[in-house]
Amino acid sequence: QLVLTQSPPASASLGASVRLTCTLSSGHNSYAISWHQQQPEKGPRFLLKLNSDGSHNKGDGIPDRFSGSSSGTERYLSISSLQSEDEADYYCQTWGSGIQVFGPGTKVTVL
Amino acid sequence: QVQLVQSGGEVKEPGASVKVSCKFSGVTFTNNGFSWVRQAPGRGLEWVGSISVHNGNIKYAQSLQDRVTMTVDKLTSTAYMELRGLKSDDAAVYYCAKTFCGGDCYYPDFWGQGTLVTVSS
Repeated sequence: QLVLTQSPPASASLGASVRLTCTLSSGHNSYAISWHQQQPEKGPRFLLKLNSDGSHNKGDGIPDRFSGSSSGTERYLSISSLQSEDEADYYCQTWGSGIQVFGPGTKVTVL
Repeated sequence: QVQLVQSGGEVKEPGASVKVSCKFSGVTFTNNGFSWVRQAPGRGLEWVGSISVHNGNIKYAQSLQDRVTMTVDKLTSTAYMELRGLKSDDAAVYYCAKTFCGGDCYYPDFWGQGTLVTVSS
């Protein structure tokens, strides 16, 4: 069964870096995922599509501060030079056999 | 550029149906489709289903497949999601999202503003 789990809430200071983890269920280490940001009281925004080899394609207008990487069944979203507007919930998503699955989300707080 | 404009909020009684629209522009039919994703108050994102404009392929979440229908009207550039037999736990913001599709639909890459569906007697 295709399931995504995400790392616990994270907090970091303005200007610092943070790395979020999205873990695919066992046996799905070749799967790509996508990352989405949801700022408070707003709709989601597509950030990037991340392949199992770590290559990724970002959405239009997504700053260079956002990047992705992969290792085994883990998919990462790294945010550098944290800005106040990066305070948000971050969701990973994947797909297979026609269905899509979202992770439970990780809340990032900027101190 | 891509634009998705969803219909306004709806208030429905339990057992009723709701049909949410998503008017799109700047979307090519090749390799594109639409996913519908909902978010109950204070909860995460839940995939409802997807429809490919590219090849007409449609997939629904198993928990909703008996009550949901998705369509796309290419002439009016509008995607629709109808949910029947509304229950209290269907109350949520429903998002339309342009989705990259091949044989199936894969990942959303542009989101609409959302439509609040309230279920109340």
